[in-house]
Amino acid sequence: KQEVTQIPAALSVPEGENLVLNCSFTDSAIYNLQWFRQDPGKGLTSLLLIQSSQREQTSGRLNASLDKSSGRSTLYIAASQPGDSATYLCAVSPRNYGGATNKLIFGTGTLLAVQP
Amino acid sequence: DTGVSQDPRHKITKRGQNVTFRCDPISEHNRLYWYRQTLGQGPEFLTYFQNEAQLEKSRLLSDRFSAERPKGSFSTLEIQRTEQGDSAMYLCASSLDTGRTDTQYFGPGTRLTVL
Repeated sequence: KQEVTQIPAALSVPEGENLVLNCSFTDSAIYNLQWFRQDPGKGLTSLLLIQSSQREQTSGRLNASLDKSSGRSTLYIAASQPGDSATYLCAVSPRNYGGATNKLIFGTGTLLAVQP
Repeated sequence: DTGVSQDPRHKITKRGQNVTFRCDPISEHNRLYWYRQTLGQGPEFLTYFQNEAQLEKSRLLSDRFSAERPKGSFSTLEIQRTEQGDSAMYLCASSLDTGRTDTQYFGPGTRLTVL
C-alpha cells in the first residue's frame, strides 16, 4: 500500500530564506508526483508536476526534484516571502497495471509560515 | 471563471439528514474526482469518473455515499443518514485525459459540518 510522508509537519522561517520541504513515498511504482499549495479553508492549487521519467521541474522560485528509486521528492523555495505561507502537500499518482485512474495519494502536508 | 466550482461552499446539517453536493468541472475535462479532507490531514480519494462512467470507488465510500455524473459534465455526491464522522471538506477535481499523465485542478471544496 502506497504511503506518503512529509517532513517537517510545520516550518517557520524568516522572509528571504531559502527552504526545502521533503516528501517520501513507499512504493516507487508511480506515474507522477505533484506538489500542491493549500491556503486555510481553501482548495488546492497545483504548483508542479513531475513525470516519473523526470528528475526535476522548475517554476519561478520553486524547484521540485524526484528520486523515484529512493522514494523521495523535495520542494525548494528560493527567497521565501510572507505570501508563501500556506500548507504544502505532496501527492503521488500510483501506477496501476489494471488501468490507470490517476487518483492521487497525499501526504499530510507541511505548514509553512514565512515571518516578515 | 473557468475553474472547478463546487456548491454549496458550506453545509451544516443534523445527524441523520441527507445532503447533496455539486461539482462543475472545467469544461471539456473528461475526468472528475472526489476527495475528502479532514482537519490536519491530506485529501483522501473517494471516487473517480471518466466521462459518465464511475470507474473506481474507495473503500472509504460506504453504502451511505453515492456519486453520479449523469451526462459526463457536472457531478453530485450524496451522503445519506449523515454521521458526525462525515464532517470534513469534500473536494472535487477535474482533469483532461491526454493519453499521458495529467494535472488535476481542484475546486474550493464544500465544508460539511454534521451536528
